[in-house]
Amino acid sequence: GQQVQQSPASLVLQEGENAELQCNFSTSLNSMQWFYQRPGGSLVSLFYNPSGTKHSGRLTSTTVIKERRSSLHISSSQTTDSGTYLCALNNNAGAKLTFGGGTRLTVRP
Amino acid sequence: NAGVIQTPRHKVTGKGQEATLWCEPISGHSAVFWYRQTIVQGLEFLTYFRNQAPIDDSGMPKERFSAQMPNQSHSTLKIQSTQPQDSAVYLCASSSDNQDTQYFGPGTRLLVL
Repeated sequence: GQQVQQSPASLVLQEGENAELQCNFSTSLNSMQWFYQRPGGSLVSLFYNPSGTKHSGRLTSTTVIKERRSSLHISSSQTTDSGTYLCALNNNAGAKLTFGGGTRLTVRP
Repeated sequence: NAGVIQTPRHKVTGKGQEATLWCEPISGHSAVFWYRQTIVQGLEFLTYFRNQAPIDDSGMPKERFSAQMPNQSHSTLKIQSTQPQDSAVYLCASSSDNQDTQYFGPGTRLLVL
């Protein structure tokens, strides 16, 4: 079965609303990484977060290993936040990343 | 720091032709990863090298695909006899010895007609 599942698959917000993106995994975890991708663009690393909570501006990432989940919270969304958010894990240090299917976020003005 | 560099950014080949994709990792990074992204399959791992040695090629199609890392400053992904189903964005990433964070290049968009 799929090792990394993201939800929702797509999300539409009005500017200013908050968003909570989920990433659930069924395998052991060494590290979790969150990425942002614009259509046709490259992957931009947002967080490397193997456990606990990390903050960066309006973004917060929380990984709870024993519950096998990680989340990305976006507060006060802006139209420029539109794009696809991907979570990826590796279960061995320094090894390949396994990606979720992504959440496509659209923020309307 | 220029980040991970990939060339070409776009490549169009005819069915049956060969395609070679290039990746220059971030200077000082010891690991280089290749992934492929399609709308249907999403992002899939292909292969990776550490200190130029192949470590895991479990994601590579068994035929027609090969990857090399002849020196620490570049890696190549070669696809022989390209097929339309090879059309995808091929992404390269690198990471350093003491960090798991992977940094991605802009990708090469391959279109096989």
